[in-house]
Amino acid sequence: GAVVSQHPSRVICKSGTSVKIECRSLDFQATTMFWYRQFPKKSLMLMATSNEGSKATYEQGVEKDKFLINHASLTLSTLTVTSAHPEDSSFYICSAADINQPQHFGDGTRLSIL
Amino acid sequence: GQQLNQSPQSMFIQEGEDVSMNCTSSSIFNTWLWYKQDPGEGPVLLIALYKAGELTSNGRLTAQFGITRKDSFLNISASIPSDVGIYFCAGRDTGNQFYFGTGTSLTVIP
Repeated sequence: GAVVSQHPSRVICKSGTSVKIECRSLDFQATTMFWYRQFPKKSLMLMATSNEGSKATYEQGVEKDKFLINHASLTLSTLTVTSAHPEDSSFYICSAADINQPQHFGDGTRLSIL
Repeated sequence: GQQLNQSPQSMFIQEGEDVSMNCTSSSIFNTWLWYKQDPGEGPVLLIALYKAGELTSNGRLTAQFGITRKDSFLNISASIPSDVGIYFCAGRDTGNQFYFGTGTSLTVIP
């Protein structure tokens, strides 16, 4: 099946730090990439949808200045959590899709802000 | 985004038993997907369905795309301990939007 690589898998950092998470589609060109946040024992919460070369579409309640998304190429999207605080600690998951592919997920990033 | 109605929310079964879970939607979907998520990892695609009435198997897993295009089910036969995890359904609508179910947590008792 298609492979989506997400990096890093785990980040622990101090409050106020900005953290960048990368999502790469390794074997297909992903016209659309998605970023999710997941709380323990809960479903995936869509944060934003990004299409290559255009601005991301954010879900209601998600601060675009806090969660910066860049989808610079058909194989790479990044999520930057700016000035992270403890309440931003969570499991972040990306996925990639195109017209011929269902969503394929990365392995997630466990973000812990101290 | 929207959530699909997925049931049951959780299941506790004996090893060897069969499992069935389903998803329903108020809108018509063009694609139904079933994923499994292990703790601390991203969801992994199990089965993708693209046509109403389609019945597809992947080993001990079988899924069907409902005739109305508003529902899908996933069956697991002869469950084993490694089937433990959270199963999510997902659908893609005619506008190319994806929606996810709330998940079914499966526990298999050896």
